Amino acid sequence: GAVVSQHPSWVICKSGTSVKIECRSLDFQATTMFWYRQFPKQSLMLMATSNEGSKATYEQGVEKDKFLINHASLTLSTLTVTSAHPEDSSFYICSGFDNYGYTFGSGTRLTVV
Amino acid sequence: AQSVAQPEDQVKVAEGNPLTVKCTYSVSGNPYLFWYVQYPNRGLQFLLKYITGDNLVKGSYGFEAEFNKSQTSFHLKKPSALVSDSALYFCAVREMDSGAGSYQLTFGKGTKLSVIP
Repeated sequence: GAVVSQHPSWVICKSGTSVKIECRSLDFQATTMFWYRQFPKQSLMLMATSNEGSKATYEQGVEKDKFLINHASLTLSTLTVTSAHPEDSSFYICSGFDNYGYTFGSGTRLTVV
Repeated sequence: AQSVAQPEDQVKVAEGNPLTVKCTYSVSGNPYLFWYVQYPNRGLQFLLKYITGDNLVKGSYGFEAEFNKSQTSFHLKKPSALVSDSALYFCAVREMDSGAGSYQLTFGKGTKLSVIP
């Protein structure tokens, strides 16, 4: 079946540095990629929606200059957390969408120290 | 606007007993409904979905869900719970007739299922 490979699974970075999270769709082409953030014991909060070759659409309250999303191809989307701070520590999940439905990555645990 | 309610933060059942995880939804038109399961520090795994047709949907790992339009519900069920079913369960909805390019899912807050040996 369809798989979205998300890397890294976990990352620890220093405050002020940038971190890139990659999501690759395997065996299918994700026309749309959704990026979510999940706090402990809470639901998924949609951060942004990206379509291949166009600018991402960010949800209200999400800083587009802080969370840079690139969807350069139908099989690769990246989220870069710029100038990370401890409050950015969270679990980030991507989800690729095609005509057959939604496929989620395994998530990235980001810890900013 | 679309929304999902999962009224129970936690459900506890004994192994071998039937389980139900509740979900109600709200959409302007017809819904696409989904159930996902999440294990600790993992992404979401697809269990089942309702698009159209039979109101009783059968999914992975012995789970099923019943679409009830009049009650706007889509409760997840399993006849006999396993300890390995213990996880976080999310219900999600998308309006069937959403505008072009608007495919985002709206998730409930999640229900933690604990199956007691």
